[in-house]
Amino acid sequence: DADVTQTPRNRITKTGKRIMLECSQTKGHDRMYWYRQDPGLGLRLIYYSFDVKDINKGEISDGYSVSRQAQAKFSLSLESAIPNQTALYFCATSDTNRGWTGELFFGEGSRLTVL
Amino acid sequence: AQSVTQLGSHVSVSEGALVLLRCNYSSSVPPYLFWYVQYPNQGLQLLLKYTTGATLVKGINGFEAEFKKSETSFHLTKPSAHMSDAAEYFCAVSGGGYQKVTFGTGTKLQVIP
Repeated sequence: DADVTQTPRNRITKTGKRIMLECSQTKGHDRMYWYRQDPGLGLRLIYYSFDVKDINKGEISDGYSVSRQAQAKFSLSLESAIPNQTALYFCATSDTNRGWTGELFFGEGSRLTVL
Repeated sequence: AQSVTQLGSHVSVSEGALVLLRCNYSSSVPPYLFWYVQYPNQGLQLLLKYTTGATLVKGINGFEAEFKKSETSFHLTKPSAHMSDAAEYFCAVSGGGYQKVTFGTGTKLQVIP
């Protein structure tokens, strides 16, 4: 089983619908992240969480919200989806308990299409 | 502030030829530098990283990269390309107070038989 699991893996929805992408991890890491990948733009940080009570906006947080329900769970919501939110979304984790190494551990991605 | 520039969104090499993927970074503090690889329909996985110490870093699958502070570069190389190396490669930098990781725009490597 994957250490970082994202659900759903694929989702097609319509403009205006609320969508939630979920991420869970079994690595015991403290930090969790949501990135968005678009062709030619690389990965851009949406939100990140250092622990359950510490959530921070990334560079492209408008139109998104997150919830860190537990150390192991971090969900991303689109309250009212729009077509330009069509992208591949990645959850990632990192561990600072033994010092920051910078290494991120990624899920397999959630492909979202907004029609 | 930190940023990464990857030169060339697509690179094609023949099987057995040298692979060279270019990465330049900007960071106001000593950087940690990374290369990640993404195979089709998969997430990213770490190829190699530089934090401190030896500037030539060896990674998985025969890849290596050299940190050159004077050139603000961290180019990825492999002496002999294999068909299985076809993937997208991302350079990334981490530095600064929030220890965020910033990614480049990626380079797709095509290996021609």
